[in-house]
Amino acid sequence: QVQLVQSGAEVKRPGASVKVSCKPSGYRFTDYYIHWVRQAPGQGLEWMGWINPDSGGTNYAQKFQGRVTMTRDTSLTTAYMEVTSLTSDDTAVYYCARDSTILAASDYWGQGTLVTVSS
Amino acid sequence: DIQMTQSPSTLSASVGDTVTITCRASQSINGWLAWYQQKQGRAPKLLIYRASSLQTGVPSRFNGGGSGTEFTLTITSLQPDDFATYYCQQYNGYLTFGQGTKVEIK
Repeated sequence: QVQLVQSGAEVKRPGASVKVSCKPSGYRFTDYYIHWVRQAPGQGLEWMGWINPDSGGTNYAQKFQGRVTMTRDTSLTTAYMEVTSLTSDDTAVYYCARDSTILAASDYWGQGTLVTVSS
Repeated sequence: DIQMTQSPSTLSASVGDTVTITCRASQSINGWLAWYQQKQGRAPKLLIYRASSLQTGVPSRFNGGGSGTEFTLTITSLQPDDFATYYCQQYNGYLTFGQGTKVEIK
């Protein structure tokens, strides 16, 4: 069955960087784009961007351009999302989700990774 | 960028009620609209894709409709498991979510 397993919770100081991993299983890694979505405490869902695991191509939301980098390692079949220059506003649960162009939606989601930014 | 506006933000209802959530897009999205359910501390779950298609395994009491810029999610005969937050999402090379609608027990 399809699963996306994310790395564990992180606590970071302001100004630091964090890198979250997402390891899908149950399908061919390179066949589906991966979206990254975050959710601040008590807030809604915010799309950050996507990565094409086949080509490595990316598309970032304008808000995150220059501060977010999405990469993948095809040998490890793992996607990564790094955020730099963290502030308290980046405290959130970060989700990866599999994109389905057929459904025009995200059909499988990771369990989420809580990133806490605090001094 | 396409903006998505959901209403209401909160909805109070009882088990057995029928409820409707509305989502409006700032421009036509050609039916590329999905609905998700999210429970506290859990990842979102896909309910409806392409505006009106029911995702596999989702109960038939969930019904999506609409076209162009206005879309609805209707839950018929609300069940205890349905009290959650619902989000719409447009899909057009990038994603935009609505603000969410919390369905709470009256």
